[in-house]
Amino acid sequence: EAQVTQNPRYLITVTGKKLTVTCSQNMNHEYMSWYRQDPGLGLRQIYYSMNVEVTDKGDVPEGYKVSRKEKRNFPLILESPSPNQTSLYFCASSLTRRDGYTFGSGTRLTVV
Amino acid sequence: DAKTTQPPSMDCAEGRAANLPCNHSTISGNEYVYWYRQIHSQGPQYIIHGLKNNETNEMASLIITEDRKSSTLILPHATLRDTAVYYCIVRVTDGGSQGNLIFGKGTKLSVKP
Repeated sequence: EAQVTQNPRYLITVTGKKLTVTCSQNMNHEYMSWYRQDPGLGLRQIYYSMNVEVTDKGDVPEGYKVSRKEKRNFPLILESPSPNQTSLYFCASSLTRRDGYTFGSGTRLTVV
Repeated sequence: DAKTTQPPSMDCAEGRAANLPCNHSTISGNEYVYWYRQIHSQGPQYIIHGLKNNETNEMASLIITEDRKSSTLILPHATLRDTAVYYCIVRVTDGGSQGNLIFGKGTKLSVKP
């Protein structure tokens, strides 16, 4: 089944403890992106990648890192999480710039 | 990217067509219109997109006005499972832009029995 898989689905962590949210797609898509969703603010893009080793900042990149070493994987790294990064995170991918994005099921992160 | 305006909420009777409007009066020539929906806190789901011609797929139809300043998403026979927030997004997909999806507040569609 064609899909975008994120792990974990739920995570509670403490301030300052580094964490990685993984994202993998099995559709050979070139474009991948991370979004966060917060009440009243909607979905906002964090980082995106147009191909292997090509990444760029979205609208809210502060406090996040990404890497794209392989086409299928696009992990989101929080080096020192803070409570304001408590959010629902979505990874998405698309074959081309014009195609619709396929989204993952989301990762609900709580930083205490 | 051009901004979109959608009604905050709509109701539709089960089995009837749901017509969701979207205004994008500042759309430019190279911007596509995309529709996504999000059911509760699930990941957004792509529905359809178009440039200037009407489009239809297995989920919905997209009608874009000739001046491209507005569009309508049509769900021909709405079911209870179509209850969701529907987002209309205009997006550049050429040139150097990655074409970020900018999600507004969308329309909360409630399909009622």
